[in-house]
Amino acid sequence: NAGVTQTPKFRVLKTGQSMTLLCAQDMNHEYMYWYRQDPGMGLRLIHYSVGEGTTAKGEVPDGYNVSRLKKQNFLLGLESAAPSQTSVYFCASSYRRNTEAFFGQGTRLTVV
Amino acid sequence: DAKTTQPNSMESNEEEPVHLPCNHSTISGTDYIHWYRQLPSQGPEYVIHGLTSNVNNRMASLAIAEDRKSSTLILHRATLRDAAVYYCILRDEWSAGKSTFGDGTTLTVKP
Repeated sequence: NAGVTQTPKFRVLKTGQSMTLLCAQDMNHEYMYWYRQDPGMGLRLIHYSVGEGTTAKGEVPDGYNVSRLKKQNFLLGLESAAPSQTSVYFCASSYRRNTEAFFGQGTRLTVV
Repeated sequence: DAKTTQPNSMESNEEEPVHLPCNHSTISGTDYIHWYRQLPSQGPEYVIHGLTSNVNNRMASLAIAEDRKSSTLILHRATLRDAAVYYCILRDEWSAGKSTFGDGTTLTVKP
């Protein structure tokens, strides 16, 4: 059982470049989430989805876009990367809003 | 949005019980109290959650105050593998966007 898989695990971008982070879950969960975690801090919610074809803004959505074209996948896009977006990005999924959330192993992104 | 407050750090001896406190004085009636832990270089891992009643599972126990303004995660016998950052968060039954993590408590377990 793979659970939540994030691709890639590491990436270095130059300022202004774009990229897409992929999150895939095999648990048939309706809810998916993207968080960022800066050094020594907790996780902050970027965007989330309550089902296929839906997305919503979280706490820190600026500079990011998301798409949920398939139930099992949640994509996080950076159109024009900035050094302030250097962080570790975690994807998570859950069956319902208030049930156990399963997290991926994270993507470490550095923007230079 | 309701927030949680936790001590920055705590220490415990191996094989002793650990009580990790969390204050959530502005909790709403539909907020579930969740606990996650994060080992170094890993994603957060679910520990336990509850709404009003105390909860037990194979990993830990969750004690919820009668007024729900605070809760305590109890690890019955700490092991070295329990050393992690523990997060207490509130997950709203009606809004998936209200699940902000605070800075958590760093638990150190001494052999």
